[in-house]
Amino acid sequence: SAVISQKPSRDICQRGTSLTIQCQVDSQVTMMFWYRQQPGQSLTLIATANQGSEATYESGFVIDKFPISRPNLTFSTLTVSNMSPEDSSIYLCSVEPPSRDRGPAEINEQFFGPGTRLTVL
Amino acid sequence: QKEVEQDPGPLSVPEGAIVSLNCTYSNSAFQYFMWYRQYSRKGPELLMYTYSSGNKEDGRFTAQVDKSSKYISLFIRDSQPSDSATYLCAMSELFGNKLVFGAGTILRVKS
Repeated sequence: SAVISQKPSRDICQRGTSLTIQCQVDSQVTMMFWYRQQPGQSLTLIATANQGSEATYESGFVIDKFPISRPNLTFSTLTVSNMSPEDSSIYLCSVEPPSRDRGPAEINEQFFGPGTRLTVL
Repeated sequence: QKEVEQDPGPLSVPEGAIVSLNCTYSNSAFQYFMWYRQYSRKGPELLMYTYSSGNKEDGRFTAQVDKSSKYISLFIRDSQPSDSATYLCAMSELFGNKLVFGAGTILRVKS
């Protein structure tokens, strides 16, 4: 398993500003993911962040809006830039532990952080 | 059409009831089917998963997958107030690790 912490746990921000969210893991992991959970909506993947390479963004999400850093194997940041009220959401990071030998019927479980609750006024 | 559809509820049941939670999906390439439980102000935690079709049981929880109907279910027997949470179904394809989630069903078990 993996223990994940996020900072801040919540914030209220003004329109047009930016917020950087930190994700810290208690063990080294290769794969880290950033999700958005809007009220009444599905948990949606924003991007995958591997250490040492550029983040891979999902359709509808762009680097200029959600720049991501991944400086080492235990830490990542997501910045929400030029915020608008539509960015109000919970942002979660998740990690996938290093892959181990497993059969095709087994998954490599993802572990989630507690989330950052963002309100944009 | 969303890739994964899930009734958001809320679903309110008395303690001891059998609960049925369901999701439908459209992508026939999904092979792994997961149920996550999310308590208020916490991140989702994996409850159980199934590979391909069939049933899987773990204590009071049973997961079912019907790939021919693109329909998955989670049954909770003898529900407890501590089961009150949001239940998210999630799916992924055979290769790759992208999870596609349903919107989550809010469950309230009344004592």
